[in-house]
Amino acid sequence: GAGVSQSPSNKVTEKGKDVELRCDPISGHTALYWYRQSLGQGLEFLIYFQGNSAPDKSGLPSDRFSAERTGGSVSTLTIQRTQQEDSAVYLCASTVRVANYGYTFGSGTRLTVV
Amino acid sequence: AQSVAQPEDQVNVAEGNPLTVKCTYSVSGNPYLFWYVQYPNRGLQFLLKYITGDNLVKGSYGFEAEFNKSQTSFHLKKPSALVSDSALYFCAVRGGNTGKLIFGQGTTLQVKP
Repeated sequence: GAGVSQSPSNKVTEKGKDVELRCDPISGHTALYWYRQSLGQGLEFLIYFQGNSAPDKSGLPSDRFSAERTGGSVSTLTIQRTQQEDSAVYLCASTVRVANYGYTFGSGTRLTVV
Repeated sequence: AQSVAQPEDQVNVAEGNPLTVKCTYSVSGNPYLFWYVQYPNRGLQFLLKYITGDNLVKGSYGFEAEFNKSQTSFHLKKPSALVSDSALYFCAVRGGNTGKLIFGQGTTLQVKP
């Protein structure tokens, strides 16, 4: 597609439930990143995928968070047993290659845990 | 560790006046610096980047930024602000070989008519 697509745009879930957030990067972009934007916390890096290499998971805040990228394209961020502090906007970004630095961000998924 | 600081939570400027949004950084090695803008309910949009070369970088929508190595700063500037420039601005630095970005806390720019 023309841009990075994220779904759903909004998600309200009950505390303790699992959620899946989806990111469709720009076709041909080999690098994909997930960030979290919390009120008052700015943007924090969560996870990075590059081709078939092992992902950089150093930013995941707890073992309740996981992500996968299937076929080098679509990525899913899963949050298990959601907590209220997980409420945030989750942003996905992709780039054709890391050295290019031409990151394109999606519009994000606003997650609210009630 | 790489880090970025945006010392101002909010900047207010009158339309037509010049604007500056401040950013300082701390990196080991050469800094790769970025500015992004976020409009309400939208994703981040790229404005400009400094990788190497001229210290004055020109970007989208008339914005520019000056890389100052001695002051470890990368302030965003525009000669004449527009009301439509009102948004949230993020400065970022590349953190590590994976290309992940380390973001500042963001600065809200309010341009008043």
